[in-house]
Amino acid sequence: AQSVAQPEDQVNVAEGNPLTVKCTYSVSGNPYLFWYVQYPNRGLQFLLKYITGDNLVKGSYGFEAEFNKSQTSFHLKKPSALVSDSALYFCAVRVNTGGFKTIFGAGTRLFVKA
Amino acid sequence: NAGVTQTPKFQVLKTGQSMTLQCAQDMNHNSMYWYRQDPGMGLRLIYYSASEGTTDKGEVPNGYNVSRLNKREFSLRLESAAPSQTSVYFCASSAQGDEQYFGPGTRLTVT
Repeated sequence: AQSVAQPEDQVNVAEGNPLTVKCTYSVSGNPYLFWYVQYPNRGLQFLLKYITGDNLVKGSYGFEAEFNKSQTSFHLKKPSALVSDSALYFCAVRVNTGGFKTIFGAGTRLFVKA
Repeated sequence: NAGVTQTPKFQVLKTGQSMTLQCAQDMNHNSMYWYRQDPGMGLRLIYYSASEGTTDKGEVPNGYNVSRLNKREFSLRLESAAPSQTSVYFCASSAQGDEQYFGPGTRLTVT
């Protein structure tokens, strides 16, 4: 079955420290992987994607993600967290069937403490 | 360029009532989606439309119907609302298989 897992419900980091939000996936064929962020009472916003090419993908607001095919992971990272990064983060994978359906993980709440 | 718009923003229904959630996008995207978001469950796909004139069921279609009215508009209808349909509903659109752009959401309460 095709799926996305975000093993941590919440991640806590201090401002200025590096952050990692974990994501693993299971999908047939080559994956299209995405990260989205959701601020309170807002819709999801696209952060970055991996389709092909360099395993390290850079996105909005200083975020980056590393694609690891052998570990089927796509972890979100940022070298130095900001309080304003506190939000709900979703990993997503496009399934390789007709219609471009996307499966979302359950989400990880990031809390950055000043 | 408004992106993806949804109406209404909030709605309270009594069990058994019906309503339609409206969604429109101005990005000329072919694909459109309806999701529901419930605490601890992420986003679950209700229905999607890969292109104008086509619709398909997602993960949780029961109790819902959709209409892809034209390329811009994709509506979601609850024929007989149930308390289990209390949720936040998001519409999204994308170019073929690419990143999705989300509307601001509709918070629905069914009593």
